[in-house]
Amino acid sequence: DAKTTQPTSMDCAEGRAANLPCNHSTISGNEYVYWYRQIHSQGPQYIIHGLKNNETNEMASLIITEDRKSSTLILPHATLRDTAVYYCIVRVGSAGGTSYGKLTFGQGTILTVHP
Amino acid sequence: EAQVTQNPRYLITVTGKKLTVTCSQNMNHEYMSWYRQDPGLGLRQIYYSMNVEVTDKGDVPEGYKVSRKEKRNFPLILESPSPNQTSLYFCASRPDRDPPNNEKLFFGSGTQLSVL
Repeated sequence: DAKTTQPTSMDCAEGRAANLPCNHSTISGNEYVYWYRQIHSQGPQYIIHGLKNNETNEMASLIITEDRKSSTLILPHATLRDTAVYYCIVRVGSAGGTSYGKLTFGQGTILTVHP
Repeated sequence: EAQVTQNPRYLITVTGKKLTVTCSQNMNHEYMSWYRQDPGLGLRQIYYSMNVEVTDKGDVPEGYKVSRKEKRNFPLILESPSPNQTSLYFCASRPDRDPPNNEKLFFGSGTQLSVL
């Protein structure tokens, strides 16, 4: 899996958009970008994933650059409950094989949403 | 409700006393995995299982055992716990089909283990 780099921490005002960057300059053509978040000591929660097109769901939007070397997770109207650690992971989205079993989470970005 | 259930939520034990943390999922997922989380070290994978009777080591398997005798259960066994295994443990599962949606992990609520 390609390595990812995220800022250690970020702040955002409540009601504003939170834009969380992730660099994955060694990403391969068949690797997807996945985002999870972990609210204090709870199990991580899947947010969104994408390959090369921008994606949006009820939780967030994912913008992937044209060269796919970086992406941005956007929480359009951040709330206090969005305060969490956000993890960006790059994975080959294929089934089967023990080589796909290992999944390492990095340190992630601590997002603090303040009033 | 689709979920991954871990038990117990909290566990305090003493060095050397064997313990088992249970994990069960009701989503018919092929893949299950255990992680531990320590301050400053993030989530580290202990073991994973691609399907029944198929298990493999993650990044930090020393001191742990797992078994996958049936699809829904994936217990984590500490044969002789030591204080350095004091940690927050998470079990996770995901389907192993329909890529790339098969990479969507579902996590349990966690087990906080303290080994004295």
